[in-house]
Formats: sequence, structure tokens, C-alpha cells
Amino acid sequence: EDQVTQSPEALRLQEGESSSLNCSYTVSGLRGLFWYRQDPGKGPEFLFTLYSAGEEKEKERLKATLTKKESFLHITAPKPEDSATYLCAVQGVDYKLSFGAGTTVTVRA
Amino acid sequence: KAGVTQTPRYLIKTRGQQVTLSCSPISGHRSVSWYQQTPGQGLQFLFEYFSETQRNKGNFPGRFSGRQFSNSRSEMNVSTLELGDSALYLCASSSAQGAQNTGELFFGEGSRLTVL
Repeated sequence: EDQVTQSPEALRLQEGESSSLNCSYTVSGLRGLFWYRQDPGKGPEFLFTLYSAGEEKEKERLKATLTKKESFLHITAPKPEDSATYLCAVQGVDYKLSFGAGTTVTVRA
Repeated sequence: KAGVTQTPRYLIKTRGQQVTLSCSPISGHRSVSWYQQTPGQGLQFLFEYFSETQRNKGNFPGRFSGRQFSNSRSEMNVSTLELGDSALYLCASSSAQGAQNTGELFFGEGSRLTVL
């Protein structure tokens, strides 16, 4: 069974204080690794897809990287509006998505 | 372009009752997936429909069922509700055509079900 573990569970940052979130996974034939952002009371919002080790994607202050066993979401110089829960998911050979429990990021001004 | 719309947003039921949730995908999207989100288990995949056919299913009991209509709108039903069914039920649509889902999903805001 595909498994996704995210760490830390929660992260409190000062505005401008860069940090990284970790997503480690085991999957039977990775078709893709996905990052989503979820705000309270909302559904997840798609951020990135990574397909193979070494791949990187960037969007504003966010950068996602992928190795054979884990992915990192780097938040550079975060702002309060970056506060959210960040979810990682993997898609295996059966095309099902398995989500991690998420990392809740709080950025203080 | 309108997003994924789910109704109702909130509902309260008692044990043993049944519930039907509705989802309207983004216009042009033919794939609709359903997820259950709880604090303890996180997001868990229920099932996926494409062109009125269920093409993938998660590990949930048969009390959970769904269907998709010719206009791509989807419903899910939970029968004989249990306390543990209290959760946020999320619908997501995808622009995937004949191929299976790419994992790039557009989620609705969810239907929050409370079972008393």
C-alpha cells in the first residue's frame, strides 16, 4: 500500500524566515507526486506536479523538489498569506492518490 | 469559469439515516473523484467516475456509493450512517480525458457531515 508521511506536523515561522517541509513516500511505481495547499474551510488547491527524481518546480515563494524517496517544499521569505496546510500526495500504478496528513504552516507578521 | 460546486455545504444526520451529496464539476471536466477528510485519517480516496462509469475505488465499505450523470454531475450516497462517518466530503474534478487521472485535481469546498 502506498504511504506518505509529512513532517513536521506544524511549523510556525516569522515573516521572512525561510524553511522546508518534508514529504517521504513509498509507492508502487510513482506516476506523480503532487503538492496542494488547503486553507481553513476550503478544499485543497493544486500547486505542483513532480514526475521524476531531480525535478524542480517553482511558484512565487514556493519551490518543490523530488528525490527517489522524498520531496521537499521550500518556502522562501514567507508572508502571512502563505499560512495554510500543505498536503503532499503520490499517485501509484493504480492511479489512486494517497495523501499525507499535511503540514500546517503559520507565518507571523 | 465556475469552480467545483458541492451541495449541501453542511448537514446533520443521526445514526442509521442515509445521506446524498451532490457535486457539479468544472464545465468540460468529465472526471469526478470523491474524498473523505477527517482529522485522524486525513484525505482518503473514495471513488472516481469518468463518463458515468466508476473506474477506480478506494477501501471503503459498500455503504458508500456514488454515481455520475451524463452531464458529469455526480452524487455520493452513504447509507446506514455511523458516528465515524462524520467528516468533510470533498469532490474534485479533472480535465483528464480518456487517460486516467493525472492527479491534478480541482476541489470543491466540501460538504461537512455531522452524524449524531
